[in-house]
This record gives sequence, structure tokens and C-alpha cells, in this order.
Amino acid sequence: NAGVMQNPRHLVRRRGQEARLRCSPMKGHSHVYWYRQLPEEGLKFMVYLQKENIIDESGMPKERFSAEFPKEGPSILRIQQVVRGDSAAYFCASSFSAGGPAEQYFGPGTRLTVT
Amino acid sequence: QQQVKQSPQSLIVQKGGISIINCAYENTAFDYFPWYQQFPGKGPALLIAIRPDVSEKKEGRFTISFNKSAKQFSLHIMDSQPGDSATYFCAASSGNTPLVFGKGTRLSVIA
Repeated sequence: NAGVMQNPRHLVRRRGQEARLRCSPMKGHSHVYWYRQLPEEGLKFMVYLQKENIIDESGMPKERFSAEFPKEGPSILRIQQVVRGDSAAYFCASSFSAGGPAEQYFGPGTRLTVT
Repeated sequence: QQQVKQSPQSLIVQKGGISIINCAYENTAFDYFPWYQQFPGKGPALLIAIRPDVSEKKEGRFTISFNKSAKQFSLHIMDSQPGDSATYFCAASSGNTPLVFGKGTRLSVIA
């Protein structure tokens, strides 16, 4: 009965490298959301995906960031050419939608440090 | 994104006391209001949620009060315990839209 899984839990990258963050939603959930949390701040929405579709990417920076949720496998948030300002905790959440507001369950997060 | 304003930023409560955290929202389309609890180094955990067809929801020591006309909702933690010490976030959404979060309240319950 696994919850939302994220890996890696901690990721260190040098400036200019690529970061790949993975999220496996709860069993039966087909909606995935990515949020970013800076120290001492709330969570900020980045992107909302369903299987093979990006539904809303209004919170994602236009450059260097991309996300996917393939038919098979986890959702991936990719950050190219990382900069120090990308250091943050990245959380994904998943939900099951049968119409109406859907409860979102969060994973443990990936803490990205850019050196 | 529409804002959700949360207060206070931090709160210190004596063990056994009542902790009260308030949130206000702007977007009248919001129809789902969850509260999340987050411990250091962990992901947010869904604590309790309310929809606007009711004015109050209680689960154990946790109660949400909802005032639709004032566009405000609050979390009450009765008989607060040291183990409740965490950061609490209110949020709001409509349908399957992404959650809009408040900035969080750091609660410390002292013995």
C-alpha cells in the first residue's frame, strides 16, 4: 500500500548540470502535480499532468524546466542547466479524479542542492 | 494564481491549549479547502478538508470552521500536544485545479 514515491530524496548538482526528479503516484491515481517549496515558504504550483498530457504548466518557468508523465513509468520533472536559485524542495502530489474536488496526496519530496 | 492569506506566521501554545490558524481567500470559485501538516524534512500530509456546503467539520482534535460570506476558514487544534508541533498550511482549489497554498504557520506546543 505504497503512497506517493519520489526519488531521489536528495540530489546535489553543480551549476550547469541537469537534474531529473521522479514521481510515482499512488496506485489508481492518474493525476500528478509538481510543487516547489523554498525554505520557510509555502508550496508553489509548477505543473499538472495526466497520463501523456500536460494539463496546466502555468507555474513552470518557460526555460530549462520540463515535465512528462508517460503512459508507463513515473512522472519526471527535468531541470536543465541548473542554477543556484533552483535549490529547493520539489514535491509531487497525486490524486484520483471521479469528478469534483480531488484530494491530493504528497510524496516525501526531492531536496535539490545546486553547488 | 489567486492568493490564500494565512495567519499567524508562527504560534506558540501551551500543552492542552487551543491552536487557531486562520486563512482568507479571494477566488469565489474555490470549492475545496484542505489543511496540510508538515514536519521538517517531510512532505505535507493531508490533515482535514472541508467543502463549502458545510460550515464546520471535526475530526478528532482537529476542526475546520468555514465562513463562506467572509471567504475565511480556520483550523482549530483542541488539547494541543507537543507532537502537534509542525508547520501547517491551508490551501484552496476548485475541481482538479492545482492547490493554492498559504505561506504556512509554524506551531510550537510547549509543555
